[in-house]
Amino acid sequence: QQPVQSPQAVILREGEDAVINCSSSKALYSVHWYRQKHGEAPVFLMILLKGGEQKGHEKISASFNEKKQQSSLYLTASQLSYSGTYFCGTENWPGTYKYIFGTGTRLKVLA
Amino acid sequence: DTGVSQDPRHKITKRGQNVTFRCDPISEHNRLYWYRQTLGQGPEFLTYFQNEAQLEKSRLLSDRFSAERPKGSFSTLEIQRTEQGDSAMYLCASSLGERNHYEQYFGPGTRLTVT
Repeated sequence: QQPVQSPQAVILREGEDAVINCSSSKALYSVHWYRQKHGEAPVFLMILLKGGEQKGHEKISASFNEKKQQSSLYLTASQLSYSGTYFCGTENWPGTYKYIFGTGTRLKVLA
Repeated sequence: DTGVSQDPRHKITKRGQNVTFRCDPISEHNRLYWYRQTLGQGPEFLTYFQNEAQLEKSRLLSDRFSAERPKGSFSTLEIQRTEQGDSAMYLCASSLGERNHYEQYFGPGTRLTVT
């Protein structure tokens, strides 16, 4: 039931772009994205809801493909501060407010 | 508002002992979540509360785990008869909302080591 994220890890140079994918085997109602730095708690990035509503930071973008039961997080013009592990948290249909976190994607941005 | 706080930050206990952790959410937040996280893994859902009502509990949990949220304020997570496999970071998160979707704010966590 745990969502699968890809890639598992990625290394970027500053200014490069990255896409992180999150796929579920179940119908989804919403997807949350969080970033966690080593030794710290996860920090909210984005919420995507069935029907197209989104809430999040202006510099982060994401998509939610309800039919394919997946979401993608787009990181553009990466900065050193983007380094960390990214997790998607999925809420199954019909919406229970219970979130199952994905396998994680480790991202490292180099100067 | 200083965010979500958890106490203690670290706990070392011997196998078989009981431990209790406390979480103080952001004051106006209705929902409170408990997660467990091991190294390299995502947070694993344990349970969540809407105000004082415990609405769901993971089937992964045995009867040794219990959580409460009296009066819909702070919450406690108790683990009885701890086992070495319980060693992990225990995270608490809170969010606004009764029907709408809002982001979760995570606390710093309690790191449990069972020897």
